[in-house]
Parts: sequence; C-alpha cells; structure tokens
Amino acid sequence: DIQMTQSPSSLSASVGDRVTITCRASQSINIYLNWYQQKPGKAPKLLIYAASSLQSGVPSRFSGSGSGTDFTLTISSLQPEDFATYYCQQSYSTPWTFGQGTKVEIK
Amino acid sequence: QITLKESGPTLVKPTQTLTLTCTFSGFSLSTSGVGVGWIRQPPGKALEWLALIYWDDDKHYSPSLKSRLTITKDTSKNQVVLTMTNMDPVDTATYYCAHLAVAGTYGSFDIWGQGTMVTVSS
Repeated sequence: DIQMTQSPSSLSASVGDRVTITCRASQSINIYLNWYQQKPGKAPKLLIYAASSLQSGVPSRFSGSGSGTDFTLTISSLQPEDFATYYCQQSYSTPWTFGQGTKVEIK
Repeated sequence: QITLKESGPTLVKPTQTLTLTCTFSGFSLSTSGVGVGWIRQPPGKALEWLALIYWDDDKHYSPSLKSRLTITKDTSKNQVVLTMTNMDPVDTATYYCAHLAVAGTYGSFDIWGQGTMVTVSS
C-alpha cells in the first residue's frame, strides 16, 4: 500500500491567515492526489483533484500543488467556514489511501 | 444531480455479517467510466478506503480487509451493496459510499452519501 503522511496533524490559525498543509506519499504518485475537507458530523467534500485542479464550486482561495511524492494544499486567506479537517488521498493505485488528516482550528 | 444514500443496520453483533446498501440517483452504473466506492471512518479517526466497483464489474478491495469484503452492483435498482463478514468492535465506524469522478485518468470521489453509523457490540 502507498502510505500518505500529512503535516501538521493540527494547526491553529486566524481568519485571514495563509494556511499550508503538506502531504507526502511513500512512493511517486505522479499527480494522482486529491484533497477533501470534512466538517464535524458531515461527509467529506472534494476540494482539489489531480493535485491542482479545483473542483467546481470550490472557492478560489483553495489551491493545490505538487507532483511525485510531495504535495501542498494552500488556503490563501482563511475564512470562518474553512475551520475543518483536511485529508489528502492518492488515486494512483488501489487501495486509494488517505492521509491521517489535518485539523485546522481557530486561534 | 447526483445523490447517494447508505442504508443498513445501525447495530451488529460480533462475528455477524454486515450488509450495507448504497442507493444512488443521477447516474447509471452501466455507463462507461462510472464507479462507486465505499469508505469508512471510525469515531474520531481518519478515513479508510474499503472497496470500489466499476461499471464493467471490475472490483478492487482494501488488501487488509479483502477476505471479509464483497462489493456488488445491481444496475437495475441503482444500488451497490457492500458485505463485511466476521464483524468486530474495531469495525465500528461511519460507512460512506461515494461516486467516482474520472477526469482523464485521474479519479476522485466527488459526491458522497451522508454516511451511516454502524456499531459492533454484543
């Protein structure tokens, strides 16, 4: 299985901050990398697919980058509704493994 | 508009078999390129990918659970069924089904069901 490691596991930030979350794959996955946002009690929501493609309807303050083994999700200006847990997922090969999640909390 | 909804028991006993049904609308599992996956999430923990079925009946399973999982589709009913045998308390989780979106060769789960919480306890 391909292991996905996110960092940090949690972070505290203020509204308006620029936030960066990192995801590292245990082997090269090209750009087969997705990012999801999950709020408490809710299903995950797709934000970014193929490492940098913004899912329809997702605000442009979200962006993704990277290829190979190292990837980044950036929120350019954190909004109150962005406080949530974020997961990366590889779709390079099954099983499509997820990272352990990064919880973004209010400072 | 694509929607998915999971259904099944909320409580199962250890060693029993769990059967979950994903009923969907807005797409057909007989259309080329279409797929449905199952993902679970134990309370307070991360997401875990379980299984995936494609329109052509190609199936993929988590290696760690492969011996216990079966995924099937009923195209006429717009349903995907996941069975998990020999349930254990560690299988207590919210179980989600999700629509597979494919952009070129890149797959992702773009639409998710609301999830169904399953507790394993005697």
